Amino acid sequence: GQQVMQIPQYQHVQEGEDFTTYCNSSTTLSNIQWYKQRPGGHPVFLIQLVKSGEVKKQKRLTFQFGEAKKNSSLHITATQTTDVGTYFCARGAAGNKLTFGGGTRVLVKP
Amino acid sequence: GAVVSQHPSWVICKSGTSVKIECRSLDFQATTMFWYRQFPKQSLMLMATSNEGSKATYEQGVEKDKFLINHASLTLSTLTVTSAHPEDSSFYICSAPKGVRTGTRTYEQYFGPGTRLTVT
Repeated sequence: GQQVMQIPQYQHVQEGEDFTTYCNSSTTLSNIQWYKQRPGGHPVFLIQLVKSGEVKKQKRLTFQFGEAKKNSSLHITATQTTDVGTYFCARGAAGNKLTFGGGTRVLVKP
Repeated sequence: GAVVSQHPSWVICKSGTSVKIECRSLDFQATTMFWYRQFPKQSLMLMATSNEGSKATYEQGVEKDKFLINHASLTLSTLTVTSAHPEDSSFYICSAPKGVRTGTRTYEQYFGPGTRLTVT
């Protein structure tokens, strides 16, 4: 199927450090979206990437879309305790359907 | 932004009974809504697409007779888990896009807070 693979599955980060989570697809993506789900909460939209090589920033979060539009990454700098949660990438398709990656569960060590 | 509500937020039911979950878009109209199921520490699995005024479309492996979906208005979709069993216990989340896909853009989803179903 048209799945998206996310790595790592878990990310333990020391507060203040940086980390990156990756999203990979075997097929070309028309777009990629990123969501954050806090523990016990629901997914919240972060960003959508559409163009090849696109880079978007949201404060300490940097999102990239690969040149071949088969992969994407989320890089967080100076991790804070508020960054705790699971980050999902999702490929968009016709009819607004989304296929979610497995997610990266982020734990922050103070 | 856009707000999507779900009711109930949690429910406990006995095996063999049916449970109805409501999903409402509060400040926008949604011709399409999506229902997901999420098991602990796992990703969201799309169950079905709810279409206003027409039949829902189900993902492969999802029993349409067990998970009944009704999208009677532009702001309400309901999911009924019929003859629930313990293996149906999960976190059920609905979502709605605020727009229609054009070109390569897929509209972002606004998620409800979810319904935690426990079947005893």
